[in-house]
Amino acid sequence: AQSVTQLDSQVPVFEEAPVELRCNYSSSVSVYLFWYVQYPNQGLQLLLKYLSGSTLVKGINGFEAEFNKSQTSFHLRKPSVHISDTAEYFCAVTLYGGSQGNLIFGKGTKLSVKP
Amino acid sequence: GAVVSQHPSWVICKSGTSVKIECRSLDFQATTMFWYRQFPKQSLMLMATSNEGSKATYEQGVEKDKFLINHASLTLSTLTVTSAHPEDSSFYICSAAGDTLRYFGAGTRLSVL
Repeated sequence: AQSVTQLDSQVPVFEEAPVELRCNYSSSVSVYLFWYVQYPNQGLQLLLKYLSGSTLVKGINGFEAEFNKSQTSFHLRKPSVHISDTAEYFCAVTLYGGSQGNLIFGKGTKLSVKP
Repeated sequence: GAVVSQHPSWVICKSGTSVKIECRSLDFQATTMFWYRQFPKQSLMLMATSNEGSKATYEQGVEKDKFLINHASLTLSTLTVTSAHPEDSSFYICSAAGDTLRYFGAGTRLSVL
């Protein structure tokens, strides 16, 4: 079975500071990895995904994540955050790269960007 | 704009009543619908998966007679919580999957008094 651990439930950070949201996963087989963002009163939106190829994945809004197979991690980073990045971020894995596969989510990390 | 519309966003009901939650895909055909439940500070837990025109597949531990899922068309799926009790209070999220992409509804907060 697969599982996802998001090590920080809340991350407060000042505007324009860098941020890293940590995600580790457990799986005995290869998985595909995703980061989703949820703004207040909105549905989850895909930030980025790793399916294959380069381990450094760039997503929307200046976010990027690096897949590290040996450490089973997929940490999300942004060099300079904005107030508008305040949201909840979910890391997820699936065995199937298409849209139909079941996603297994972490508990989420609330990012609070302060002025 | 939103590509998946989920209604209502918040519902309060009395214990013993039934509540229906709608999930509509806008501008695309959702061949598969997923229904999740999320408790506070917990991850989204898959309740069931449904394909248009077929019976839903429920995850272990989810009562299919309590959580009725209907996916009668490629743009609409409904989750009915029958005879709701306070322990059913939770945040319910639908996800619609087309051929290549998946979108999520904004969720429904159910409070059973």
